[in-house]
Amino acid sequence: SQQGEEDPQALSIQEGENATMNCSYKTSINNLQWYRQNSGRGLVHLILIRSNEREKHSGRLRVTLDTSKKSSSLLITASRAADTASYFCATMDTGRRALTFGSGTRLQVQP
Amino acid sequence: DAGVIQSPRHEVTEMGQEVTLRCKPISGHNSLFWYRQTMMRGLELLIYFNNNVPIDDSGMPEDRFSAKMPNASFSTLKIQPSEPRDSAVYFCASNTARPKRFYEQYFGPGTRLTVT
Repeated sequence: SQQGEEDPQALSIQEGENATMNCSYKTSINNLQWYRQNSGRGLVHLILIRSNEREKHSGRLRVTLDTSKKSSSLLITASRAADTASYFCATMDTGRRALTFGSGTRLQVQP
Repeated sequence: DAGVIQSPRHEVTEMGQEVTLRCKPISGHNSLFWYRQTMMRGLELLIYFNNNVPIDDSGMPEDRFSAKMPNASFSTLKIQPSEPRDSAVYFCASNTARPKRFYEQYFGPGTRLTVT
């Protein structure tokens, strides 16, 4: 079953703008990950944040984690048309190795 | 590194037929995961193996579904008999208990199954 609720479900922005996606979850987690899925393709890992971390950066990506609110956000800065894809958060529960995925945010970046 | 390999990429079959999906994980990885993606239910974990042993199969929908991992380089997901509601994209993923790379999963391209 899905754990995460992602918000918004769909987002359309112009190239160069920032895109922010949010994820909420329900259980105690070891880490939270973000994945990207291009249409008709498999998922690609973007970034992982551990439960004892609050913020992490990787290139144009910034992830925050608030374990007290059981929520995370993914910020993509200076978006490009190539960033058009669906973005999923996934949580790894404490003591478990499998991931539970959220419902995803469809991002459309207009050139 | 060839990545996770899945076959077939597309499968169209009639209700009642047996379907076998195949996965070759990345060499050296010791965990393998099967997921199913549908519009209605999103991405769901079906089963995962650690060192070829099934660890959690609580996501397998019913007895029509079975999965095996006879060795470290091959896994199958079988549906018998198939039903139209099994239509979905099935993903295989793998990873390994390596420092700093322990948790990241590598996904295959998926098998799109259509049951008519």
